Amino acid sequence: DGGITQSPKYLFRKEGQNVTLSCEQNLNHDAMYWYRQDPGQGLRLIYYSQIVNDFQKGDIAEGYSVSREKKESFPLTVTSAQKNPTAFYLCASSIDGTSGIPSTLSSYNEQFFGPGTRLTVL
Amino acid sequence: GIQVEQSPPDLILQEGANSTLRCNFSDSVNNLQWFHQNPWGQLINLFYIPSGTKQNGRLSATTVATERYSLLYISSSQTTDSGVYFCAVPLTISSGSARQLTFGSGTQLTVLP
Repeated sequence: DGGITQSPKYLFRKEGQNVTLSCEQNLNHDAMYWYRQDPGQGLRLIYYSQIVNDFQKGDIAEGYSVSREKKESFPLTVTSAQKNPTAFYLCASSIDGTSGIPSTLSSYNEQFFGPGTRLTVL
Repeated sequence: GIQVEQSPPDLILQEGANSTLRCNFSDSVNNLQWFHQNPWGQLINLFYIPSGTKQNGRLSATTVATERYSLLYISSSQTTDSGVYFCAVPLTISSGSARQLTFGSGTQLTVLP
């Protein structure tokens, strides 16, 4: 089945440790995104990537790092520099790449989300 | 940046009732998405609706882009409709065509049996 998978579902981290969250998609989408959700709030963008080997910071990138070595994969590392890492992390993807397709074409811009990873710092 | 406001923040319904959720946005947008977040956290795509009206079963959505709002209608609500409903609008990222979504704070819907 086509879709977006995230692992692990739950993750516990001790203070001072780095942890890496996995996000894989088999939808052949160019663009991938990482969002963070805190209780009772909407999602905020951490990082995004339009194509392989390229990624850009979102609104709350401090304390996080990413890589995009393969089209299918966009792992997120939560570093010890992130002051409040306990949150729900969601990965998304869209067909949208750098082809310049107008934004009104839904099939290129609609974002689809994985099931999420709940990170708790102990 | 663009502001997205959703109302009401909380809504409690009896099963079978109808409801309307509203999403206001502060700037012009050329598309909009509605999501349902289930109790396990999964975001489910409901509508991609830049303008006009779409229907999918008991759900329908209308976006009036010129007036900067969108409405989500839920008819004959069921307990499985419970969860948080988000609207999100894209912000074109200047360096390319990928688009960050800006989310509202959501409407928490509870449908009672």
